[in-house]
Amino acid sequence: GAVVSQHPSWVICKSGTSVKIECRSLDFQATTMFWYRQFPKQSLMLMATSNEGSKATYEQGVEKDKFLINHASLTLSTLTVTSAHPEDSSFYICSARLAGRSSNEQFFGPGTRLTVL
Amino acid sequence: GESVGLHLPTLSVQEGDNSIINCAYSNSASDYFIWYKQESGKGPQFIIDIRSNMDKRQGQRVTVLLNKTVKHLSLQIAATQPGDSAVYFCAEWEGNFNKFYFGSGTKLNVKP
Repeated sequence: GAVVSQHPSWVICKSGTSVKIECRSLDFQATTMFWYRQFPKQSLMLMATSNEGSKATYEQGVEKDKFLINHASLTLSTLTVTSAHPEDSSFYICSARLAGRSSNEQFFGPGTRLTVL
Repeated sequence: GESVGLHLPTLSVQEGDNSIINCAYSNSASDYFIWYKQESGKGPQFIIDIRSNMDKRQGQRVTVLLNKTVKHLSLQIAATQPGDSAVYFCAEWEGNFNKFYFGSGTKLNVKP
């Protein structure tokens, strides 16, 4: 149980286009999902916290107008990279926290590799 | 956010030896820590966790030690195997901010 999926797993796009990444909790409900970005040979950096039915909370330095987050249901959060540029190329990882649990446990998706040409 | 850092960026060990990966954290209020394993091109995989009311926790071939006095935790892997080769991250739970912060990671190379 507690499986998180991401789609797509890899996307290549032209500079200036927008890309949507989906994060789904497959067998559980998640009131909170987290979005991370990871550059090669670096650690995961938290971008934002996505709460179902409310606005996402962004980390300092992360442009909310560039990285649009929507958490419309208890099983789906989306991250849209708007007007992507080569410097946005990265590995984007989401995680989900079980709803209704006091535990801090979160489950990670497999990641989405974004390459902007 | 608070910093969570690792002492060694890479660690090479012989197959069968024990591995020790270290992590320092700076927020004394953090009360929950997790070690993750990440293989190339994949998402992090949970290994073991520990709460601040404990100083040691054991899993299958892995042990996490927490020293709150010096704000340090370590991951010990017994009888390291080639399949253990990966990057290992410690993560610190900041309850007040309701989020995890990850350390910089240690790459473990297991030599056959």
